[in-house]
Amino acid sequence: AQSVSQHNHHVILSEAASLELGCNYSYGGTVNLFWYVQYPGQHLQLLLKYFSGDPLVKGIKGFEAEFIKSKFSFNLRKPSVQWSDTAEYFCAVMPATGFQKLVFGTGTRLLVSP
Amino acid sequence: DAGVTQSPTHLIKTRGQQVTLRCSPKSGHDTVSWYQQALGQGPQFIFQYYEEEERQRGNFPDRFSGHQFPNYSSELNVNALLLGDSALYLCASCTGVLSGANVLTFGAGSRLTVL
Repeated sequence: AQSVSQHNHHVILSEAASLELGCNYSYGGTVNLFWYVQYPGQHLQLLLKYFSGDPLVKGIKGFEAEFIKSKFSFNLRKPSVQWSDTAEYFCAVMPATGFQKLVFGTGTRLLVSP
Repeated sequence: DAGVTQSPTHLIKTRGQQVTLRCSPKSGHDTVSWYQQALGQGPQFIFQYYEEEERQRGNFPDRFSGHQFPNYSSELNVNALLLGDSALYLCASCTGVLSGANVLTFGAGSRLTVL
C-alpha cells in the first residue's frame, strides 16, 4: 500500500525566510508526485508535479521540488517566502500506471509572519 | 475558478440521517473521484467513477455510495451518518481513468457537519 509522510505539521516563518517541507513516500512501483496547496477558504490547487525527466521541477509562485528516488523523497522548497504563502501544503503520490488514486500526506500548515 | 463545482457548500445533518453531495466535473473531464478530508488530515480517497461505474474504492464502508450520470456529473451518498463523518468532501475530476499522467482538478468541497 502507498503511504506519504510529511514530517513538518506546522511551520512558522518570517517573510523572506527560506522554506523546505519534507515529503517521503512508500510504494513499490513507479509513482507520479505532486504538491498541492490549500489557501485559507480556497480549494486544493496544484503547485507542481513530477512525472519523469529532470528530478528538479518548478511550479507556480516560485516553488520547486526535487525528486530523490533513492530516498523516496520529494521535498518542496522556496528561497524566499511571502505572507501570501500562508496555507496548507499537501504532498501526494499516484501510481504511474493504473487507476488514478492520489494518496495524500497529512499536510503541513505554513504560517508566514509579515 | 476551480472548474469543478460542488453543492451544497455547507450542510448540517444529525446522526442517522442520509446525505447526498453533488459534483459537476471540469469541462472535458470524464472521470470523477471523491475524497474525504477530516479536520487536520489530508484528503482520503473514497472512490472513483468512470463510464458510470465505480472503478476503484478506498477503505470506506458501504454506507458510502455513489453514482455517475451520463453527463459525467456525480453524486456521493452517505447513509446512517455518524459523528465521524463530519468532514470536507472533495470532488476531483480528470480525463482518462487509466493514465497516471493526468492531473486531478479539485472542487472547493462540501463541508458536512454531523451533530
